[in-house]
Amino acid sequence: KQEVTQIPAALSVPEGENLVLNCSFTDSAIYNLQWFRQDPGKGLTSLLLIQSSQREQTSGRLNASLDKSSGRSTLYIAASQPGDSATYLCAAMDSSYKLIFGSGTRLLVRP
Amino acid sequence: ETGVTQTPRHLVMGMTNKKSLKCEQHLGHNAMYWYKQSAKKPLELMFVYNFKEQTENNSVPSRFSPECPNSSHLFLHLHTLQPEDSALYLCASSIRRGTTSTDTQYFGPGTRLTVL
Repeated sequence: KQEVTQIPAALSVPEGENLVLNCSFTDSAIYNLQWFRQDPGKGLTSLLLIQSSQREQTSGRLNASLDKSSGRSTLYIAASQPGDSATYLCAAMDSSYKLIFGSGTRLLVRP
Repeated sequence: ETGVTQTPRHLVMGMTNKKSLKCEQHLGHNAMYWYKQSAKKPLELMFVYNFKEQTENNSVPSRFSPECPNSSHLFLHLHTLQPEDSALYLCASSIRRGTTSTDTQYFGPGTRLTVL
């Protein structure tokens, strides 16, 4: 059974810092790995999707990497801004095409 | 209106009430999902509909009853809920290509449900 873990659970950084969020999964048989952003009381917004054959994806200040063999993905946020404050969720799509989510990392970027 | 919409946004109900949650997607997708997000627990998949047919029931209690009349609309009928059912209920949609569905899912804003 696929399990997804995110570390740290919460993170507080000053504005301008580069930061890394970590995601690990127990079963390497995944179709893709997705990163989402969730603002308080809101739905999820897709940030990046990495197919199982890919190593990384980039969008603006965001870069996500995938290492299937080690069961890890990282989300790198460059030059963080207060507007980046949110909960970041990673999800692995398992062999049944189901998204298995981690518990998220709650990020606070202080002005 | 674009994207995925959900109504109501907030709902308070007693354990003996019957209510329904509605989801509508304007993206031309053919797969729709219900998720439950409880405090301090990961997002949990509840139901999956592909081409209006239910293809996944993730061991959800029968007090939750989904309905998908067409590929754009999804309902979640609620009856005799328990306080532990209080959560944020999220709807999502995606493109399903044949038997696979590896495209990203687009989420609605959710319905915050409180069961008294």
